[in-house]
Amino acid sequence: DGGITQSPKYLFRKEGQNVTLSCEQNLNHDAMYWYRQDPGQGLRLIYYSQIVNDFQKGDIAEGYSVSREKKESFPLTVTSAQKNPTAFYLCASSIVGGTDSNQPQHFGDGTRLSIL
Amino acid sequence: DAKTTQPPSMDCAEGRAANLPCNHSTISGNEYVYWYRQIHSQGPQYIIHGLKNNETNEMASLIITEDRKSSTLILPHATLRDTAVYYCIVRPDSWGKLQFGAGTQVVVTP
Repeated sequence: DGGITQSPKYLFRKEGQNVTLSCEQNLNHDAMYWYRQDPGQGLRLIYYSQIVNDFQKGDIAEGYSVSREKKESFPLTVTSAQKNPTAFYLCASSIVGGTDSNQPQHFGDGTRLSIL
Repeated sequence: DAKTTQPPSMDCAEGRAANLPCNHSTISGNEYVYWYRQIHSQGPQYIIHGLKNNETNEMASLIITEDRKSSTLILPHATLRDTAVYYCIVRPDSWGKLQFGAGTQVVVTP
């Protein structure tokens, strides 16, 4: 089935350690996004990418990095510079443009990151 | 981006229709209204979206007022599995970020 796969489902980080969250989609979508969700709150955008080898910072990009070497993959690295990384991380993808220019984003099931 | 206002919580009886209101009084002419829901510890699920006409799909109906300043999501026959946080979002771009607010916690009871 087509969809968005995030892995791992749970991840633990030690102090000073970088960790990478995986996001893969087989929907042939051009755009991909990373959001962060804290308990009881809405989602906030970290990074997004419209095409391969190009990405833009969202509202809370500090302490995070991304790459987009392949259309189907958009990994997120949480660096040691992110002082409060404990959160639920969500990856999404969407079509860009087309005859119906407004297309929904579709989400994966998330990765829950915690500090050891 | 236009902001939305939703009630923080709603209860609904199983089998009855659930009507979820959303105010978006500052919406612009090119902004769409989107609805998502999020079941605990899962990613948000797209439900429906519209510009100015009412829309219906297999999950729900979306009623947008003529002045576009408010909308209502209708779940025609609520089930226990519809218990979730429902988000109303307005969005101008064909792509780009979704601005999630606090949403409405809907609890469907037997």
